[in-house]
Amino acid sequence: AQRVTQPEKLLSVFKGAPVELKCNYSYSGSPELFWYVQYSRQRLQLLLRHISRESIKGFTADLNKGETSFHLKKPFAQEEDSAMYYCALKRSGNTPLVFGKGTRLSVIA
Amino acid sequence: NAGVTQTPKFQVLKTGQSMTLQCAQDMNHNSMYWYRQDPGMGLRLIYYSASEGTTDKGEVPNGYNVSRLNKREFSLRLESAAPSQTSVYFCASSGQGATGELFFGEGSRLTVL
Repeated sequence: AQRVTQPEKLLSVFKGAPVELKCNYSYSGSPELFWYVQYSRQRLQLLLRHISRESIKGFTADLNKGETSFHLKKPFAQEEDSAMYYCALKRSGNTPLVFGKGTRLSVIA
Repeated sequence: NAGVTQTPKFQVLKTGQSMTLQCAQDMNHNSMYWYRQDPGMGLRLIYYSASEGTTDKGEVPNGYNVSRLNKREFSLRLESAAPSQTSVYFCASSGQGATGELFFGEGSRLTVL
């Protein structure tokens, strides 16, 4: 069965420090991976997807099929990055996303 | 363009009462979803509707029913609420092509006493 694991419930970093939010997945097929973010008092929204290979708000994530990981990284954390982050996996076909349990990022000034 | 709209935003129920959460989207999306969000449990799929006229169970369907009333609307019903259903409920929709981008509502906070 497919599963998404985010090992850290809470991650606290100082402003300006590098950030890495971990995400591992298990899926026998070819997955699509996503990061969603929920800022305080805002809706859950898509941050980035692996197929786009883009950087959004300074965040990047690389799909590593060998390690079955899709870690989210940012070289210098900002206070406005404080939020709940969810990693999500999509199986092939018109199937719903499977979310991890989420990691709350707290950036300390 | 409101996106995904959920009502009510807050509700308190007594054990055994019933209620329906309403969800509507104005983006002409085919697929709609209901998730619940609990501390330490993340987002768990309750039910989804891949297209108008179809519904499927997700990870945690017990105690819930859904209706895809039309392409725009997807409601979630609790027939006999239990304290374990205290949660924040999110409706979401996604468009053609199954790109994986979900558009979420603001959430409905439900407390069952």
